[in-house]
Amino acid sequence: SQQGEEDPQALSIQEGENATMNCSYKTSINNLQWYRQNSGRGLVHLILIRSNEREKHSGRLRVTLDTSKKSSSLLITASRAADTASYFCATGIQGAQKLVFGQGTRLTINP
Amino acid sequence: SAVISQKPSRDICQRGTSLTIQCQVDSQVTMMFWYRQQPGQSLTLIATANQGSEATYESGFVIDKFPISRPNLTFSTLTVSNMSPEDSSIYLCSVEMSGTNEKLFFGSGTQLSVL
Repeated sequence: SQQGEEDPQALSIQEGENATMNCSYKTSINNLQWYRQNSGRGLVHLILIRSNEREKHSGRLRVTLDTSKKSSSLLITASRAADTASYFCATGIQGAQKLVFGQGTRLTINP
Repeated sequence: SAVISQKPSRDICQRGTSLTIQCQVDSQVTMMFWYRQQPGQSLTLIATANQGSEATYESGFVIDKFPISRPNLTFSTLTVSNMSPEDSSIYLCSVEMSGTNEKLFFGSGTQLSVL
């Protein structure tokens, strides 16, 4: 079964607003990563947060990780039309050399 | 970083036939993976492609249906055998450089439609 549950499944906001997506997982992890997918093609890595980190920033992206709640959030600030895509969290499972992907959030930025 | 060339980018196939998807990386990589993404769904790991030995398959995927080769550190193929309409998906090759569950690089995917 999938490791990650993401919510919301779909999010539609106005350009310039902030977008927040959440991810929950079930087992112990080494790290949690976020990826973006445009139009059902290859995924692009956005950011990685390790299990001993609580918050990480990269440009307009902010990721938080709460290992006690087994959850993470991705915040995109000052959204742009080009941010329209699907966003997936992926967990690096302890003891396994693979990533397990969540269900994804479809983000639409309206001009 | 790694640049991945995956082909074909899309194909329409008849039921009962097989399709081989190729994945070429521009540098030697530790790990290569094959994922499937069914329409509107997330990515599901099919298998880890092991250089010079049999791939490691995830639960629900078998070698007879999805034979995988990895003859060297930069190239792998995935074959979808005896296809049915249920195999219609995007198939994605991905690589990881360090072997520590770090950042994955993805090919652009193969959009497969089975009639």
